[in-house]
Amino acid sequence: GAVVSQHPSRVICKSGTSVKIECRSLDFQATTMFWYRQFPKQSLMLMATSNEGSKATYEQGVEKDKFLINHASLTLSTLTVTSAHPEDSSFYICSAQPGQGHTGELFFGEGSRLTVL
Amino acid sequence: KQEVTQIPAALSVPEGENLVLNCSFTDSAIYNLQWFRQDPGKGLTSLLLIQSSQREQTSGRLNASLDKSSGRSTLYIAASQPGDSATYLCGASGSRLTFGEGTQLTVNP
Repeated sequence: GAVVSQHPSRVICKSGTSVKIECRSLDFQATTMFWYRQFPKQSLMLMATSNEGSKATYEQGVEKDKFLINHASLTLSTLTVTSAHPEDSSFYICSAQPGQGHTGELFFGEGSRLTVL
Repeated sequence: KQEVTQIPAALSVPEGENLVLNCSFTDSAIYNLQWFRQDPGKGLTSLLLIQSSQREQTSGRLNASLDKSSGRSTLYIAASQPGDSATYLCGASGSRLTFGEGTQLTVNP
């Protein structure tokens, strides 16, 4: 299957700082990537849809100024958690699919565990 | 709004058993249904993808079925092994991919 890489896998930061997480599709181009958040023992919650060359589409209740998404190329999307606080500590996962539309198989990154002290 | 439910929430079986994981969804207007595996602290690994026009897909010891009209999908795992222990998630893809809560599977040696 296609490979999606996330970096870093773990990050610890102080409250008030910003953290950037990268999501790369290694062997395919992705017009659209997705960012999810997962709390312990819960399922994935879609945060936003990242569109190459345009603004991200955020889900209801997700602060776009808090979670900045940039999809600068067909293989890279970044999620920046700005002014992080302990409640932002979570597991963040990205996904991407080859091609366009919603009919294809989604491939996920390994996830990034953020701990805010 | 699509809602996806997975039953059971947890399952513990002895090695070698065949087992069935269930997934139901409320909105049958989906493009596909995908089954994933998640190991602790890891991302999701795609297991099987069933397009809306298909009834089932098979990969090795895994078989997934889809009945759009009744809003159900099942994942059948044959001859379970300890290495199958993980959380299994189903995702129904419509305007967005909606996940169930997952089934946590433990296969005991």
